[in-house]
Amino acid sequence: KNQVEQSPQSLIILEGKNCTLQCNYTVSPFSNLRWYKQDTGRGPVSLTIMTFSENTKSNGRYTATLDADTKQSSLHITASQLSDSASYICVVSFNTDKLIFGTGTRLQVFP
Amino acid sequence: ETGVTQTPRHLVMGMTNKKSLKCEQHLGHNAMYWYKQSAKKPLELMFVYNFKEQTENNSVPSRFSPECPNSSHLFLHLHTLQPEDSALYLCASSQRQGPTYEQYFGPGTRLTVT
Repeated sequence: KNQVEQSPQSLIILEGKNCTLQCNYTVSPFSNLRWYKQDTGRGPVSLTIMTFSENTKSNGRYTATLDADTKQSSLHITASQLSDSASYICVVSFNTDKLIFGTGTRLQVFP
Repeated sequence: ETGVTQTPRHLVMGMTNKKSLKCEQHLGHNAMYWYKQSAKKPLELMFVYNFKEQTENNSVPSRFSPECPNSSHLFLHLHTLQPEDSALYLCASSQRQGPTYEQYFGPGTRLTVT
């Protein structure tokens, strides 16, 4: 069964600290993997997208990694800011047009 | 702003009401999507339209009826909903249908069915 699992479900950190969010998937055949940020009451916004051949991609303070062999991805946030408080959703696409969404990690950054 | 707008942002309706959600994209995209997002559950794809033609219906109950009059507009007509239909309904668009095309999401409509 094609699944995307994210951990932790929720995370609280202090402003300025780093954190890492995890995404494990069992999707096959793999096409690409995206990380989205979703602020409360808003739609998801894409942070990064990685294909099979890419193992790291950065977008400002966000760095995503991909290990296609172990089917794991992580999103590392450096020097967190209050505005990083949001849900982070891992989305894996497979076959030709299917997307599998994770349930997300709820991140709260406190001053 | 992502270039995708949704109205209304909030909607409360009774189970016997009929209402419609509207989505408009200003990105020149050809594919549009409806998603349902319930608490603590992954986004669920409901419908996909590619060049105004419905290409996917993920076993959505008939009380949800989509309409795509052109590539820029997408509607979701609602009637005789159930309380479990309360959720955030998200619209998205992409250049074309397919996993290589990034989807841009609207802000969503928070629907409450009483």
